[in-house]
Amino acid sequence: DIVLTQSPALAVSLGQRATISCRASQSVIISRYNLIHWYQQKPGQQPKLLIYRASNLASGIPARFSGSGSGTDFTLTINPVQADDIATYYCQQSRESPWTFGGGTKLELK
Amino acid sequence: EVQLVESGEGLVQPGSSMKLSCVASGFTFSNYGMNWIRQAPKKGLEWIALIYYDSSSKYYADSVKGRFTISRDNSKNTLYLEMNSLRSEDTAMYYCATYNWEGWGQGVMVTVSS
Repeated sequence: DIVLTQSPALAVSLGQRATISCRASQSVIISRYNLIHWYQQKPGQQPKLLIYRASNLASGIPARFSGSGSGTDFTLTINPVQADDIATYYCQQSRESPWTFGGGTKLELK
Repeated sequence: EVQLVESGEGLVQPGSSMKLSCVASGFTFSNYGMNWIRQAPKKGLEWIALIYYDSSSKYYADSVKGRFTISRDNSKNTLYLEMNSLRSEDTAMYYCATYNWEGWGQGVMVTVSS
């Protein structure tokens, strides 16, 4: 199984940049597509897709969210962080079954 | 707009069975694969099953293989998850989601406890 590793928490100040990382245990590339996706989940809510295939903004997601990376190392950047962005963020791979999620990074205010 | 509405939540005893449903609207359900994902209390997300648009292929996580069955009825725009031999570790919020991960239901809580 592909294991995705995320730091458990990240503390940021409002208006600053947040960088959340996700490392895969093996490459998640198929046909030059990086099959990593990012989600935001707030307490009591379902996850919301933010970024698909590493760097593509999902529909309706603000441009302050961006994704980058290739192969095994990926980053979700939020710039600038707003109060509404306080949530837990998950990466997920769809390179191969079983589709796995990272453990989540809880974004907290400094 | 994609809408997914799960139903079937409840409290059951270990060893029993339960069936969840997910009714889809706002897109052509019969054209898309569908997933079930679960989240144990205070834990992360776990993908558990995928079904192709035409039911031709189904995939399961090892944790549920042989106990859970994913199915669909395209005439009713409905996805199902039949869960047998339930264990306490199956206690979780269960979500259905579209193949491209853009649409998620609000989730239903399944509690397995004596």
